[in-house]
Amino acid sequence: AQSVTQLGSHVSVSEGALVLLRCNYSSSVPPYLFWYVQYPNQGLQLLLKYTTGATLVKGINGFEAEFKKSETSFHLTKPSAHMSDAAEYFCAVKSSFQKLVFGTGTRLLVSP
Amino acid sequence: DTEVTQTPKHLVMGMTNKKSLKCEQHMGHRAMYWYKQKAKKPPELMFVYSYEKLSINESVPSRFSPECPNSSLLNLHLHALQPEDSALYLCASSLRGEGTEAFFGQGTRLTVV
Repeated sequence: AQSVTQLGSHVSVSEGALVLLRCNYSSSVPPYLFWYVQYPNQGLQLLLKYTTGATLVKGINGFEAEFKKSETSFHLTKPSAHMSDAAEYFCAVKSSFQKLVFGTGTRLLVSP
Repeated sequence: DTEVTQTPKHLVMGMTNKKSLKCEQHMGHRAMYWYKQKAKKPPELMFVYSYEKLSINESVPSRFSPECPNSSLLNLHLHALQPEDSALYLCASSLRGEGTEAFFGQGTRLTVV
C-alpha cells in the first residue's frame, strides 16, 4: 500500500527564514504526491502536486517541492517564511481507486 | 467555480437525533469523498463515490450513511451517533484519475452530546 511519512510534527522558523517540511513516500509504483495546507477550523487547500514530468514543482504562495526518486522524498520548501504561513501542512499520496492518503501533518510555527 | 460547499458549518446533535450533512460542487467532478478529521490528526477517508456509485467504504459504522443523489450533491446521513464521533467532517471532489487533485470544502464541525 502507498503511504507517506512526515518527519517532525512541529517546525518552528523565524519570519524571513527558509521553510523546509519533510515528506517521504512508500510506493511500489510511480506515486502521485500532493501537499495541502490547512488553516484553523478550515478545509484543506492544495499547495502543489507531482504527477509526472518535471521533478521540481512550483505551487501557490511561493512554495515548491522537489520529487527525488532516489531518496523517495517530496520535501516542501519556501525561501522566506511569512507570518501568514503558520498552519498545518499535509503531504498526501493518491493510490488507485481514488484513495487520497495523508501523512500525519506538520504544524509550521512562524515567529516575528 | 472551484468551490465545494458544505452545510451546515456547525452542528450539535444528541445521540438519538437524525441529521444530515450536505455537500455540493459544480466543477463537473465525478468522484466525491467524505473524510473525518479529529483534532490534531490528518483526515481519514470514510467513503468514495465514483459516478454516483459507492466505490469505497472504509469499514465505517452503519450509523453513518452516505448518499449521492446526483453528480453535484453528496450527503452524509447521521443516526444514533456517539460522542466519539465528534469531529470535522470534510467533503471533497475530484476528476476521476489517479493524478488528479481533490478540492475540499470548509467542513462541518460536528459535536455529539
